[in-house]
Amino acid sequence: GDSVTQMEGPVTLSEEAFLTINCTYTATGYPSLFWYVQYPGEGLQLLLKATKADDKGSNKGFEATYRKETTSFHLEKGSVQVSDSAVYFCALSDQYSSASKIIFGSGTRLSIRP
Amino acid sequence: SQTIHQWPATLVQPVGSPLSLECTVEGTSNPNLYWYRQAAGRGLQLLFYSVGIGQISSEVPQNLSASRPQDRQFILSSKKLLLSDSGFYLCGSAPPGLNTEAFFGQGTRLTVV
Repeated sequence: GDSVTQMEGPVTLSEEAFLTINCTYTATGYPSLFWYVQYPGEGLQLLLKATKADDKGSNKGFEATYRKETTSFHLEKGSVQVSDSAVYFCALSDQYSSASKIIFGSGTRLSIRP
Repeated sequence: SQTIHQWPATLVQPVGSPLSLECTVEGTSNPNLYWYRQAAGRGLQLLFYSVGIGQISSEVPQNLSASRPQDRQFILSSKKLLLSDSGFYLCGSAPPGLNTEAFFGQGTRLTVV
C-alpha cells in the first residue's frame, strides 16, 4: 500500500541555519503531496502542497518540490527561526482511492536554538 | 474555508469506561472525514475514514468504532477503553474530490488510567 517515509528526528538547529527534512513516498498512482506542521499542543496545519510532478509548493519561507523520478518531497528553508520549532509531517493523498485517504509519515520534530 | 470543531480538548478516563469523541465540520458539504491517532512520540495513524453518511472504512482492527450520523458529524467511540487507547486524536475533513488537502481540528488528548 501507499506509504510515506520521513527522516527521523529530532532535528536541532541554530537560528538562521539551513533546513532540510527528507521525505520519500510509495504510491500506486499519482498522489498529491503535502507538508503539515504541528505546533506544541495544537492540531495540524497545512504548510504547503504540490499536486503533480515538478510542482513546487511554498509558504512562510518553506519550499518542497514534487520529484517523481526520486519519489521525494523534501522540505527546505533557507534560514530557520525559533518560531519554526514544531513537528513536521509529510503526507500524500491517494488519487486512486475515492476517499482520498491521506497517509502521513512519522513526523520530524524540529527544535531551533536562539 | 472549513472549520473543524472537536471536543473535548482533554479527557481522562478509567480503563473499561466508554468513550465518545465528537467532530463537526462547517464550511463544506459532503466532506471526506477522518479520525487519526497520534501515540506519544509517534506519527499519525489513520483509524477510520468516511465518504458519506453511514459509510465508514476501518484501517486497523482495534477497540474503537466510528459513526457518521449526519453529513458533517463524525463520532469516535469505544465500549471499553484500554490503556493502549491513550493518545492524541485528530479529526480531519477534506472537501469532496480527489487530491484535496485535509483540515484538522485542535485534537483531543485522551489519557486512559
